Amino acid sequence: SQQGEEDPQALSIQEGENATMNCSYKTSINNLQWYRQNSGRGLVHLILIRSNEREKHSGRLRVTLDTSKKSSSLLITASRAADTASYFCAPYGGATNKLIFGTGTLLAVQP
Amino acid sequence: DTAVSQTPKYLVTQMGNDKSIKCEQNLGHDTMYWYKQDSKKFLKIMFSYNNKELIINETVPNRFSPKSPDKAHLNLHINSLELGDSAVYFCASSHRVPSGNTIYFGEGSWLTVV
Repeated sequence: SQQGEEDPQALSIQEGENATMNCSYKTSINNLQWYRQNSGRGLVHLILIRSNEREKHSGRLRVTLDTSKKSSSLLITASRAADTASYFCAPYGGATNKLIFGTGTLLAVQP
Repeated sequence: DTAVSQTPKYLVTQMGNDKSIKCEQNLGHDTMYWYKQDSKKFLKIMFSYNNKELIINETVPNRFSPKSPDKAHLNLHINSLELGDSAVYFCASSHRVPSGNTIYFGEGSWLTVV
């Protein structure tokens, strides 16, 4: 399926540490998007990486994509308590007009 | 200004009732979606409309009926509510074919069926 699967399901770190979340998928993609969901809120788009890109940065976020392994990772550097949220990846294959989300990685950053 | 707004935010209702959730976007997008998020955080797409035309209709009970009066609005009507319908329902919008575009989500509507 086109659904991304995030790993780990939950991650707890101390403020200032780096957080790495992984995403695996099964089909070919045009791009892969990462979203954040704060508790009780809607999803917010973080970053999009295209299939011909290997790495992308946005502020403290770094996303990598390995299409040969069908995997992506999201690195948050120098984490803050405000980064506490669930993070979802959504691979987009282009065959349909839909993004399919998994269950996300729940990140808890302890102050 | 709210980009994707949905109402109500909270809804508690009894089994068997009929309820509606409304959604509006002011982003000028031509595609709108309804997603359902269960207690395990799994976010599942239900419907998608492009310019008032239904383009995605996942395996959803026919008690759920979306209605798009224009491309800025997509409402969700649910008949004969069941306990299992309790979830958070998210409306979202994007430009057609989100290959390079972001999906913008509303803040969610918490539906509890008792």
